Amino acid sequence: NAGVMQNPRHLVRRRGQEARLRCSPMKGHSHVYWYRQLPEEGLKFMVYLQKENIIDESGMPKERFSAEFPKEGPSILRIQQVVRGDSAAYFCASSPPGTGQLYEQYFGPGTRLTVT
Amino acid sequence: AQSVAQPEDQVNVAEGNPLTVKCTYSVSGNPYLFWYVQYPNRGLQFLLKYITGDNLVKGSYGFEAEFNKSQTSFHLKKPSALVSDSALYFCAVRPSNSGYSTLTFGKGTMLLVSP
Repeated sequence: NAGVMQNPRHLVRRRGQEARLRCSPMKGHSHVYWYRQLPEEGLKFMVYLQKENIIDESGMPKERFSAEFPKEGPSILRIQQVVRGDSAAYFCASSPPGTGQLYEQYFGPGTRLTVT
Repeated sequence: AQSVAQPEDQVNVAEGNPLTVKCTYSVSGNPYLFWYVQYPNRGLQFLLKYITGDNLVKGSYGFEAEFNKSQTSFHLKKPSALVSDSALYFCAVRPSNSGYSTLTFGKGTMLLVSP
């Protein structure tokens, strides 16, 4: 059973470009979470999605950031018009359907975004 | 809103000695508590969790954690540290009465085990 997959692992963008980060959850998992890790900081929750639904986006900036988890295909975190402050590691996690609170989340290897 | 405090940025211990990584939490209602480990340039790996039941929880790689409700703590422990345990450790909490299943993480504690 493959784990959570993220691609690309490293992404370099110039200021003003768009960044697209992809996450494929573990097989059978229908809950996806995105976190951001800045240097010297812990993980900050961004958004929680289930298939075709955004459940909680309270941690995601209102502007330039969006996320989706379509019926088919991976979850996408999209950052428009990137700025240097967006440079960070972005982690995706997934958990099984059902009573999600009881389950641990399984993390992908992360995408390291560098904005030049 | 819930929060997690890991009061030590770094813990140093000699190989073979016991280790403790501290975590305290704040949450409304009963907590679900988790420990994760992160190796350099890797994602987080799940170590153990407390949901209910025994206050002492055993997890992967010989780690265990003790839930103390009165002190709102969930310290990670291991009787005998290995050099390979050197990594960044995160404590996380989720309220049991929340309909959402997102986690709130502490800032992490770097564990350095010297030979």
